[in-house]
Amino acid sequence: QVQLVQSGAEVKKPGASVKVSCKASGYTFTGYYMHWVRQAPGQGLEWMGWINPNSGGTNCAQKFQGRVSMTRDTSISTAYMELSSLRSDDTAVYYCAREGSGISGYYNPLYWGQGTLVTVSS
Amino acid sequence: DIQMTQSPSSLSASVGDRVTITCRASQSISSYLNWFQQKPGKAPKFLIYGVSSLQSGVPSRFSGSGSGTDFTLTISSLQPEDFATYYCQQSYSAPPTFGQGTKLEIK
Repeated sequence: QVQLVQSGAEVKKPGASVKVSCKASGYTFTGYYMHWVRQAPGQGLEWMGWINPNSGGTNCAQKFQGRVSMTRDTSISTAYMELSSLRSDDTAVYYCAREGSGISGYYNPLYWGQGTLVTVSS
Repeated sequence: DIQMTQSPSSLSASVGDRVTITCRASQSISSYLNWFQQKPGKAPKFLIYGVSSLQSGVPSRFSGSGSGTDFTLTISSLQPEDFATYYCQQSYSAPPTFGQGTKLEIK
């Protein structure tokens, strides 16, 4: 069965960077795009971007361009999302989510990690 | 970016009720519309894709309809485990965007 296990909660100061990991199991890691989605406290869902684990190619929302880096290590089936220049409004739960299969089109985050709370506070 | 607007933002209903949640896109998204369910402290759960196709394991009391810009999620007979927040999401174009959510509460 597909499992995505994320790294633990982080507390960061404004201006710092955070790197969240997402370890995949139960499927071929390089076969499916991996999304990153965040959710601020009490708020809705916001798509940040995705990575093609096979090629390493990425695409991110314009809002995060220049501040987010998505990478992967295929040897350990793990995807990473690093967000830099953190601000208080980056406080959120960050999720990785694997793209679905057999679904027409793209941007169908089917399997989700448990989420990683990142708190940005001085 | 395509804006997704859900209504209502919150809804109170009883077990056994039939409920409908509406989602409107700011431009046509054809049939590229997904629905998610999220319970407090949990990750979203993928419920419906392509407007009306139920993800494996999702009960048949859930259904979706619509096309173009207007879509609905219907729960035919609410069960206690259905009280949650529901989000629509367009998968038509990047960036994929979500509605603001509809919180379904017990009356």
